[in-house]
Amino acid sequence: EAQVTQNPRYLITVTGKKLTVTCSQNMNHEYMSWYRQDPGLGLRQIYYSMNVEVTDKGDVPEGYKVSRKEKRNFPLILESPSPNQTSLYFCASSVGLGFEQYFGPGTRLTVT
Amino acid sequence: DQQVKQNSPSLSVQEGRISILNCDYTNSMFDYFLWYKKYPAEGPTFLISISSIKDKNEDGRFTVFLNKSAKHLSLHIVPSQPGDSAVYFCAARLIQGAQKLVFGQGTRLTINP
Repeated sequence: EAQVTQNPRYLITVTGKKLTVTCSQNMNHEYMSWYRQDPGLGLRQIYYSMNVEVTDKGDVPEGYKVSRKEKRNFPLILESPSPNQTSLYFCASSVGLGFEQYFGPGTRLTVT
Repeated sequence: DQQVKQNSPSLSVQEGRISILNCDYTNSMFDYFLWYKKYPAEGPTFLISISSIKDKNEDGRFTVFLNKSAKHLSLHIVPSQPGDSAVYFCAARLIQGAQKLVFGQGTRLTINP
């Protein structure tokens, strides 16, 4: 089954404690992206990757890091989380930009 | 700077009637537009798309209209069904400079029986 998986689905952490949200897709997609969803702001892109070892900033990259060492995986790293990073995070993949993006189920992160 | 705007946070429609969701954009460099549907506790799922060279695309009960001069697109759902109750996001593709999708804020559609 074609899918995008994210782990964990829910995470409560404290300010400053490094965390990683994993994302994996099994469709051999080249394009992957991370979004955060906040009330009244919709989905905002954090980082995206056009292919292995090719990543670039989206609209709200501050406080986040990503890596793309393998085609299927695109982890999101928060080196020092802060409360303003409390949000719902989605990973997505697609054949290319503008094509149908497949989204993961989301990770709800709370930073206290 | 919200380049893609969905000005109606919510919309309520009676079952069987037409639902019209609207989206406005400001950047004339967008070349492709998409609509996504999102149920609670799930990720968004792709619904329908349209290229900027077209003004209409239809897929079953769903039709997207694009008015480039007004920088406006709309999604029509006919007839509306209870399962259509969800949050709908429009998105636009920007291919100049940073290649990315820009999403609107979303509209919550409720279909009443």
